[in-house]
Amino acid sequence: EVQLVESGGGLVQPGGSLRLSCAASGFTFKSYAMTWVRQAPGKGLEWVSEITGSGSSTHHADSVKGRFTISRDNSKDTLYLQMDGLRAEDTAVYYCAKYYGSGSYKSWGQGTLVTVSS
Amino acid sequence: DIQMTQSPSTLSASVGDRVTITCRANQSIRSWLAWYQQKPGKAPKLLIFDASSLESGVPSRFSGSGSGTEFTLTINSLQPDDFATYYCQQYSSYSYTFGQGTKLEIK
Repeated sequence: EVQLVESGGGLVQPGGSLRLSCAASGFTFKSYAMTWVRQAPGKGLEWVSEITGSGSSTHHADSVKGRFTISRDNSKDTLYLQMDGLRAEDTAVYYCAKYYGSGSYKSWGQGTLVTVSS
Repeated sequence: DIQMTQSPSTLSASVGDRVTITCRANQSIRSWLAWYQQKPGKAPKLLIFDASSLESGVPSRFSGSGSGTEFTLTINSLQPDDFATYYCQQYSSYSYTFGQGTKLEIK
């Protein structure tokens, strides 16, 4: 059974940094692209970042480009999201998700809440 | 970026009804579209991928259609468990984008 467990969320001041982790199990982690999707309180879903299985290629939404970095450690079956220069508008639940087929996401974690506030 | 627009934003319906949600892209995404269901406090659940393929385990009352720029999600014979928020998502080109969501409410 695929399991994705996010951690690392919390309260951070504007301009601060945070690193989210997503521990994966139940599948061959290195074989799948992985994604971060976020959801601000009471709002819709926003695609954030994606990384290939090898980690050789990444993509980021314009809203986080230059501030967030997605990475992975295939020896630890773990996905990361390094978030720097955090802003109030980055406040959201952050989900990691496993790539499925041509680009949809079948397996999701439970989410971790990031709150950016002074 | 490709913009995805869902309509309506809110939909009121009754158990047993047939409902349709529309998702439009501002440029062709061929069939690279998924539909998700989300309930409060929960992660999204994949319903449909590649515009019309039903995900394993999803009831057959859910169906998807469309290609290019216009897509629909249809739910036949609404069940109490179907009242939730639905999102479309394009994966034709980065940045992948979601529609703003359609909240399906009990009438």
